[in-house]
Amino acid sequence: IAGITQAPTSQILAAGRRMTLRCTQDMRHNAMYWYRQDLGLGLRLIHYSNTAGTTGKGEVPDGYSVSRANTDDFPLTLASAVPSQTSVYFCASSDSIGPVHTQYFGPGTRLTVL
Amino acid sequence: GQNIDQPTEMTATEGAIVQINCTYQTSGFNGLFWYQQHAGEAPTFLSYNVLDGLEEKGRFSSFLSRSKGYSYLLLKELQMKDSASYLCAVLDSNYQLIWGAGTKLIIKP
Repeated sequence: IAGITQAPTSQILAAGRRMTLRCTQDMRHNAMYWYRQDLGLGLRLIHYSNTAGTTGKGEVPDGYSVSRANTDDFPLTLASAVPSQTSVYFCASSDSIGPVHTQYFGPGTRLTVL
Repeated sequence: GQNIDQPTEMTATEGAIVQINCTYQTSGFNGLFWYQQHAGEAPTFLSYNVLDGLEEKGRFSSFLSRSKGYSYLLLKELQMKDSASYLCAVLDSNYQLIWGAGTKLIIKP
């Protein structure tokens, strides 16, 4: 069981470039999430999707976009990267049908924007 | 606004017991989670509390008091591998997780 996979593992990107971070889960979870984690700030929600075909904005959505064409995939796109988007990005998924909504995380993508 | 507070860093000795506290103020409450995160790795689920009281799972226990907006994670018989950050998170009225900044636990021999 793979769980959640993310690609790439790490990336160095020039400012102004477009970048898509990939996330795939095989647990058939209906909900998926993108977070960024910066030192001292904890996890901050960028975008989420409660089910395939729908997306929503989290706490820090500016500069990012997402799509959810199917249950398994939830890519995050930086249209024009800026240095403040240097961070570790985690994708997560949960089965939000029941009451508990435990989120399971991918291994993360470490992104550096120069 | 929504807020979750936990200590930034704690130090404990191998074999001892440590309690990591978490206080929260959120719009609604649908449960509280504790996650463990080793350096350079993803957070992994430890525990979930939605009713008041203590939930025990091996060496780890988690306590919740909804009236006080308070939880703690208790780690017994500490091992070096328990050195990690511990994240407290609350599921709010919109079923979104609100995260604390995490507590870095350092275990000394």
